[in-house]
Parts: sequence; structure tokens; C-alpha cells
Amino acid sequence: KAGVTQTPRYLIKTRGQQVTLSCSPISGHRSVSWYQQTPGQGLQFLFEYFSETQRNKGNFPGRFSGRQFSNSRSEMNVSTLELGDSALYLCASSPGGNQPQHFGDGTRLSIL
Amino acid sequence: DAKTTQPPSMDCAEGRAANLPCNHSTISGNEYVYWYRQIHSQGPQYIIHGLKNNETNEMASLIITEDRKSSTLILPHATLRDTAVYYCIVRVAAGGTSYGKLTFGQGTILTVHP
Repeated sequence: KAGVTQTPRYLIKTRGQQVTLSCSPISGHRSVSWYQQTPGQGLQFLFEYFSETQRNKGNFPGRFSGRQFSNSRSEMNVSTLELGDSALYLCASSPGGNQPQHFGDGTRLSIL
Repeated sequence: DAKTTQPPSMDCAEGRAANLPCNHSTISGNEYVYWYRQIHSQGPQYIIHGLKNNETNEMASLIITEDRKSSTLILPHATLRDTAVYYCIVRVAAGGTSYGKLTFGQGTILTVHP
């Protein structure tokens, strides 16, 4: 069974630009969550989608948004990029409920 | 979600059992204990989870104390590839504000030596 796939693996942007990251969950998984990992703040929860609906959101500004498609694939968008948005962005999928989340290897975003 | 406390670092000799402790003294009755690990430059890898009973899978064993205030992850025969950051996470049963949210602490850096 294929794991969680995130594209692209690496991305370089400049301040003020916007970016879209993509996540393909494990087949059959309907829940997709996104996390940001930085050396200073560690792993922080961004939001979770299930059946195209955002069910939970972390404490991030409105510049961070996401969506989920009918095939459970998900995208997250960050607008008006800031230097502090440089991070590893991780996507995780699960069947839902108390089943464990399985993570992709992330997209490393660098802001110049 | 309950807060967890883990030692910042541990060492283990290759081939020996690695026992990683986690304290979660404020855990509630409907909160699960999850363990993940993260090897540099990769996403976190799920290891095991449990509610109150001890659990075992092909990777590890999870021992939860009877009062559920602490747990131990056991890697029975550690290898060099087990060197990673190990995260103990307590999460309330799915629903409401817990949907999809795992709260990661700083974890334990486990170093396995030859």
C-alpha cells in the first residue's frame, strides 16, 4: 500500500508570494491533517479535513488555508509569505476515529 | 489533551532493549497514548498506541501502568536505525477539538551505539 505522498519535496519562494502544497493520502483514508515543523516551535497542528470538511484548526493566521477534494487529496495554501513561514510542512492521513495518523515526508519550504 | 513529560535524551547499546519512559500524570479515562518517532529529514513514523492495556506489534511494545499515569515504549532489540526522536502523545478519543490533532512535545532523542 502506498504511503502518504507530498509534493513538491522542496520549494523556494520569496516574501509576499503565495504557495500551494499537495498531499495524497493513503488509499481509503478520509482524514487528512497538516502540521508545520520548525526548529523553534517543533511540530504544530495546522488543520484537519474529513470528507471535504475542515473539522479542526490550529492557532495559525488566516494566511494558512486548506481544502480537501472528493478523492481525499488535500492542498494547503499559504498567502503573503513571511520569512517565518520557512518550515517543513507535513501531511498525515488516517481512516478517522482513533486510528493512528500516518505521515508523509513533508515539503520543505524556504522563504528568501 | 494531557501533557506528557519525556527525558530529553537516552542512549542504548545495539542489540539491547531500549526502554523509553513517558509521564502523563493528568491523563483522562478517554485519552489514548500514541508513540511516534522521527528520523532526521523524514516525517514522523507511527509506532504503537493504546488506551489501558499493554500492546505489542512488530516494532515495539507499549506498557501502560495500571493507574495510566505513565507508560514505557520498549524496542526489544535496538539497532542503529532506531536512532531517532521519539514522541509520546496523549490524545482524547476522536471528536470535537481533538479531530486530527496530535500535540507533539520535544520528545526523547534516542541514540543507539554500536
